[in-house]
Amino acid sequence: QVQLQESGPGLVKPSETLSLTCAVSGYSISSGYYWGWIRQPPGKGLEWIGSIYHSGSTYYNPSLKSRVTISVDTSKNQFSLKLSSVTAADTAVYYCARHLYYYDSSGYSIPHYFDYWGQGTLVTVSS
Amino acid sequence: QPVLTQPPSSSASPGESARLTCTLPSDINVGSYNIYWYQQKPGSPPRYLLYYYSDSDKGQGSGVPSRFSGSKDASANTGILLISGLQSEDEADYYCMIWPSNAWVFGGGTKLTVL
Repeated sequence: QVQLQESGPGLVKPSETLSLTCAVSGYSISSGYYWGWIRQPPGKGLEWIGSIYHSGSTYYNPSLKSRVTISVDTSKNQFSLKLSSVTAADTAVYYCARHLYYYDSSGYSIPHYFDYWGQGTLVTVSS
Repeated sequence: QPVLTQPPSSSASPGESARLTCTLPSDINVGSYNIYWYQQKPGSPPRYLLYYYSDSDKGQGSGVPSRFSGSKDASANTGILLISGLQSEDEADYYCMIWPSNAWVFGGGTKLTVL
């Protein structure tokens, strides 16, 4: 059974960098799939942050791209999120998730749905 | 980024059907995209329900009952999640999602109340 577990500080000061790690068990990241981060401000909807392929290629939310870095460490079977220059608007539950992909008629890999999710971790931005 | 519009709330009685909608902006043709649907209950991560592209290209999440189904209304540029035979356990938030322009976009979510 694939399991994902987020970890990292629950409190980050404004203007600093939020750093989270997602540990994966039950599946080797190097075997494939995309791995993503999604967040949800308290009482609000879901927002995709970005995703990384096991090889290291990334997709980022255009609205966050200038502040986001997602990386993968296959030796530790985990992937990480860094979000810089945080403000109170970045306060949210942060989820990590795996998503599948499929090949279109031209042979390009297209991201598919998120199938496994972590339980989420609340990060509060406050001084 | 495009905005997917979902009604903030919907309600129906047990045994009835609930039709949840996800309207795409006019510059994005619903016929060109997979529409994904997720269910989220308080304190839990979202759960993948299904995706719908066409009647011949759709998929159900693992363990998701067949009373959850997807469709599209091309005239309204809308994706639809139909839940038939509503049960109290279906009370949750429901989100749609698409992949336009190399980025995932979520709708704002619909809170479904089972009366």
